[in-house]
Amino acid sequence: GDSVTQMEGPVTLSEEAFLTINCTYTATGYPSLFWYVQYPGEGLQLLLKATKADDKGSNKGFEATYRKETTSFHLEKGSVQVSDSAVYFCALTSNDYKLSFGAGTTVTVRA
Amino acid sequence: GAGVSQSPSNKVTEKGKDVELRCDPISGHTALYWYRQSLGQGLEFLIYFQGNSAPDKSGLPSDRFSAERTGGSVSTLTIQRTQQEDSAVYLCASSLESNRQLFFGSGTQLSVL
Repeated sequence: GDSVTQMEGPVTLSEEAFLTINCTYTATGYPSLFWYVQYPGEGLQLLLKATKADDKGSNKGFEATYRKETTSFHLEKGSVQVSDSAVYFCALTSNDYKLSFGAGTTVTVRA
Repeated sequence: GAGVSQSPSNKVTEKGKDVELRCDPISGHTALYWYRQSLGQGLEFLIYFQGNSAPDKSGLPSDRFSAERTGGSVSTLTIQRTQQEDSAVYLCASSLESNRQLFFGSGTQLSVL
């Protein structure tokens, strides 16, 4: 079945540091890939997505590229801010409705 | 409403009691989903509704769990004879159609003592 493995946290960074959160997946067929973010006290929200190989999703300075050859979808941001402190979830779907999520990575950015 | 609304936001119950969790999706969204977020684990799919029917309920952990949706809108997740391992955050999401962006509620934190 489908599964997602993402790097364990917590991750603590200083402002303006570079952030990478690794995500690899196992899926049948050609899944769509997502990064969701959960800010403190808020619900999950979609950060970015990619629906086919070599697509790059981007939003709020974050980027992730769908790599079919390495079955990866790593999240990157070149210069983080305190407001980026959140829990980040990598996810995929092979059937358009059922999302499989990773365990989440807690990121804390210090001023 | 403006977003997906879940109630209650927190529920503390005793082992063996039944609980009902409510989800009000975004108006007009035909698809509705329930997920569970347990401590230290990712989100776990429970059930998917398209309209009032549930084409996929494969994620419900046991027959103590059931869900219904009425009028193509509000959904209720019921857990009977709660156990301590049921303690988790129960998240509801809705989308315009099944292959469109999901919008999540803030969840119900369930604690079974």
